[in-house]
Amino acid sequence: AQTVTQSQPEMSVQEAETVTLSCTYDTSESNYYLFWYKQPPSRQMILVIRQEAYKQQNATENRFSVNFQKAAKSFSLKISDSQLGDTAMYFCALSLHSWGKFQFGAGTQVVVTP
Amino acid sequence: NAGVTQTPKFRILKIGQSMTLQCTQDMNHNYMYWYRQDPGMGLKLIYYSVGAGITDKGEVPNGYNVSRSTTEDFPLRLELAAPSQTSVYFCASRRKGQGGEKLFFGSGTQLSVL
Repeated sequence: AQTVTQSQPEMSVQEAETVTLSCTYDTSESNYYLFWYKQPPSRQMILVIRQEAYKQQNATENRFSVNFQKAAKSFSLKISDSQLGDTAMYFCALSLHSWGKFQFGAGTQVVVTP
Repeated sequence: NAGVTQTPKFRILKIGQSMTLQCTQDMNHNYMYWYRQDPGMGLKLIYYSVGAGITDKGEVPNGYNVSRSTTEDFPLRLELAAPSQTSVYFCASRRKGQGGEKLFFGSGTQLSVL
């Protein structure tokens, strides 16, 4: 069975600071993808960043970057220069090539304060 | 391009009533999903489909049924509604590929069972 675990229910960060969200996962597959999605209060689901498991290079999208540790099955998200608009729930997710499912973690609420 | 359209946006049901949540997508996506999101929690997979005529259970299928007679539509049926089914329901879709394709989400249905 595949699992995705986010152990931090809530994180608070000040504007312009950096925050790192943790995600661990478990799968026996070698070919998979990991995602971070953002859900602001509007409830809209927004793709933040995507990582292919066979790529060693960590993905980066502007102020968002990941630390992908395949052996440890860890996929953390770093938000740099935090902005008020980053306040949202952040979900880690796993998708397998061989599997139609797209599985989410429980989420981490990020609150950015002035 | 409408994307993923869910109806209704809000609904209040009495215990024991039944209803169908509608979901349609116009992107010719093979994969479609139904998730539920309880307050402050992550998304739990109810059912998914990898193509017309093919459906499979997710993590929390009890109390729900689905069908997929066309590529575009993936309705979710609630039979004998219970208070435990009070939640926000999201429909999502993505194209068939290597597993790294992003999910496109509908705007959600807020369901209350009283």
